[in-house]
Amino acid sequence: DAGVIQSPRHEVTEMGQEVTLRCKPISGHNSLFWYRQTMMRGLELLIYFNNNVPIDDSGMPEDRFSAKMPNASFSTLKIQPSEPRDSAVYFCASSFGSSGFSYNEQFFGPGTRLTVL
Amino acid sequence: SQQGEEDPQALSIQEGENATMNCSYKTSINNLQWYRQNSGRGLVHLILIRSNEREKHSGRLRVTLDTSKKSSSLLITASRAADTASYFCATDEGNDMRFGAGTRLTVKP
Repeated sequence: DAGVIQSPRHEVTEMGQEVTLRCKPISGHNSLFWYRQTMMRGLELLIYFNNNVPIDDSGMPEDRFSAKMPNASFSTLKIQPSEPRDSAVYFCASSFGSSGFSYNEQFFGPGTRLTVL
Repeated sequence: SQQGEEDPQALSIQEGENATMNCSYKTSINNLQWYRQNSGRGLVHLILIRSNEREKHSGRLRVTLDTSKKSSSLLITASRAADTASYFCATDEGNDMRFGAGTRLTVKP
């Protein structure tokens, strides 16, 4: 298995532009997570999908952030408009969970390093 | 806010020595997980310990969990230079999962 795939690996954009980050989870996994990692705030959970349905998006910073999971093999995280403070590494992770919200082992992608100028 | 808090923030040891990292949390949990992150890479899962377990082993790794003290420790025995990385604990809290700030471990050859 190729593991969790994220694209792009690096993104440099200007303030105000729209940014779309993509994630392909491990086949067979039914949970998908988006995280943001910065030096100041560490690793933060942004949103969590279970069976393609957003379960908890309380970590999404503001309305400029949105995430979708149209099918079991693809998810996007969109920032519109982007701001310099959005600069961070964004990780996608997937796992297989059989019941409830007890988190199982998560498999992380390599991350997307976003720089907003 | 972060649930798990690792201690120390940074640890530097010689190859062959043992490394102990601690994690404290605030609320009740179902399980606690430890992850490793090499510089510039994604996190790699190390061990998951459930709230009804007290100790777990995996190779050179030993994790303990004390739910009465709301704390966990990760012990790496006979450390190697390749163990140099940041180590994070993660706790589940209802519908959320929170990572600590991490311990930066440096193992000198």
